[in-house]
Amino acid sequence: DVVMTQSPLSLPVTLGQPASISCKSSESLKHSDGNTYLTWFQQRPGQSPRRLIQMVFKRDSGVPDRFSGSGSGTDFTLEISRVEAEDVGVYYCMQGIQWPRTFGPGTRVEIK
Amino acid sequence: EVQLVESGGGLVQPGGSLRLSCAASGFTFNKYPMRWVRQTPGKGLEWVSDISSSGDRTYYADSVKGRLTISRDNSRNTVYLQMNSLRGEDTAVYYCGKGSNGTIDNWGQGALVVVSS
Repeated sequence: DVVMTQSPLSLPVTLGQPASISCKSSESLKHSDGNTYLTWFQQRPGQSPRRLIQMVFKRDSGVPDRFSGSGSGTDFTLEISRVEAEDVGVYYCMQGIQWPRTFGPGTRVEIK
Repeated sequence: EVQLVESGGGLVQPGGSLRLSCAASGFTFNKYPMRWVRQTPGKGLEWVSDISSSGDRTYYADSVKGRLTISRDNSRNTVYLQMNSLRGEDTAVYYCGKGSNGTIDNWGQGALVVVSS
């Protein structure tokens, strides 16, 4: 199975400041079709998860452009350029290159 | 607008059975794989099962293989999760998701399953 790890697991951030979350996979997520199957989800308190970014960097419609994804192979990063109050929640990465699909443990973003 | 509405959750005794349903709307259901993901209270996300758009291919997490069965009815735009031989560790919120390209496009609101005597 592909093991997904995230760091940090808890991230206190000052409003307006940047935040960065790392996600690493135990195997490369680059498929032979050229795509890299790494997704980022946000789960706000009391809500269902919501996709922010797929295939490493493709932001979903309606997702603020302060969210960006980067990386390749086994190392990926989600960055929030300026954290807002509505960004509080848990962020998960997930690999979609093979079964079983696996998620990272989540990174809890909170406001200092 | 894509909508996924889960139903069928509840309290069940260990060893019992339950069937979850997920009614989909807002997209061409028979063109997309569907997924089930669960979340233990206060914990992270665990992928449970996938089914292909036609229903001819299914995939399961080892933790549920042989006990949970995914299926779909494309005429009813509904995906199901039949849960048998339930254990305490199956207690979770179960989400259905619209799949594509190795990701989950949209999530339902979730259905709580509690396995307890």
